[in-house]
Amino acid sequence: GEDVEQSLFLSVREGDSSVINCTYTDSSSTYLYWYKQEPGAGLQLLTYIFSNMDMKQDQRLTVLLNKKDKHLSLRIADTQTGDSAIYFCADFGGSQGNLIFGKGTKLSVKP
Amino acid sequence: DGGITQSPKYLFRKEGQNVTLSCEQNLNHDAMYWYRQDPGQGLRLIYYSQIVNDFQKGDIAEGYSVSREKKESFPLTVTSAQKNPTAFYLCASRGHHKNTGELFFGEGSRLTVL
Repeated sequence: GEDVEQSLFLSVREGDSSVINCTYTDSSSTYLYWYKQEPGAGLQLLTYIFSNMDMKQDQRLTVLLNKKDKHLSLRIADTQTGDSAIYFCADFGGSQGNLIFGKGTKLSVKP
Repeated sequence: DGGITQSPKYLFRKEGQNVTLSCEQNLNHDAMYWYRQDPGQGLRLIYYSQIVNDFQKGDIAEGYSVSREKKESFPLTVTSAQKNPTAFYLCASRGHHKNTGELFFGEGSRLTVL
């Protein structure tokens, strides 16, 4: 079945850029998403990208999509301590039209 | 403000008891979902409903039950048959008026079995 993979942990220093990577298997994906989860809370949509785009920029966030390699990345510029959270990559295109989530990358930002 | 409300936020239960988690949305969304989250496991789909009075099993439906009698409400019952029910449960909804397919999530309910 469809699968979404991401590394589990990333640690950066405040002010550096963070890059969170994701790979997916579903070739019929229409949209791909990045969600953010703060401790003890639900998920909030950060951004999404349509599958015919290569890049999307939104303030400090840059999403890159390599459709040939089925690779998605989220870059956070000037990372702040408030960016510490779990980031989930998700793929919309499963056979039942449901979102498939990765296991989440826990971003730790050190002062 | 429109959104999804889950209750209770924290719940404790003794082994052998059923418990029902509430999920209500006022976004006028057709589709609703229940996910279970365990550390390092990501989100796993329990049940989903695309329309009132209809629902389908997700990847880990065993030991759970749902109903969808109203568009706004999608309660999840964790039964005594669920072997390891301690987890964080997330409810979500999705509308069709926007074609981006994004899910909107509630704040979650943490269930602990004593």
